[in-house]
Amino acid sequence: SQTIHQWPATLVQPVGSPLSLECTVEGTSNPNLYWYRQAAGRGLQLLFYSVGIGQISSEVPQNLSASRPQDRQFILSSKKLLLSDSGFYLCAWSVRQVSSYEQYFGPGTRLTVT
Amino acid sequence: AQSVSQHNHHVILSEAASLELGCNYSYGGTVNLFWYVQYPGQHLQLLLKYFSGDPLVKGIKGFEAEFIKSKFSFNLRKPSVQWSDTAEYFCAVSRSSGNTGKLIFGQGTTLQVKP
Repeated sequence: SQTIHQWPATLVQPVGSPLSLECTVEGTSNPNLYWYRQAAGRGLQLLFYSVGIGQISSEVPQNLSASRPQDRQFILSSKKLLLSDSGFYLCAWSVRQVSSYEQYFGPGTRLTVT
Repeated sequence: AQSVSQHNHHVILSEAASLELGCNYSYGGTVNLFWYVQYPGQHLQLLLKYFSGDPLVKGIKGFEAEFIKSKFSFNLRKPSVQWSDTAEYFCAVSRSSGNTGKLIFGQGTTLQVKP
């Protein structure tokens, strides 16, 4: 069966420090991968998605970047964190098949920027 | 641009009451529709989905949703809620075409069921 892992689970970082959040998927190949940010009362905002190794699409301009160095690994990064980067970050994956884009979500990372 | 609107931000019900959560989307093409649920302390998980066919879809735990194309709506219903249904509910939409599967989520509805 497929599983998705995210780490760390929680993170407290000072403003201006770098960030690296990791997401890995097991039990599937060539998935689509997604990074979302969840803010209270604002739902989930899609930040990045990837349809293959090295292929990253950004949905919103921001202080963050993403990379996909391996088929089942998706990394969210920042060189210098802002207070506004605080939030709950979710990674998700989906299988690429016709008419089916159900996404499966990881446990998330709670990021607090101080 | 695509958007999803959930009308109720916070709903409080007593056990056995009926539930209906509204969801409207703005996109003129063919869409896939989803309801996700996040129970306290748990992963976001799929409740039900609509891709094509019967517009009334049934999901887990007695939930159902009806796709009304003319109204661009996909409302979630449950005849009788339980305390364990306390959670946050998200409606989401994706385009049927393309290979990205990007989901656009609504802002979520927090459901609190009183025992």
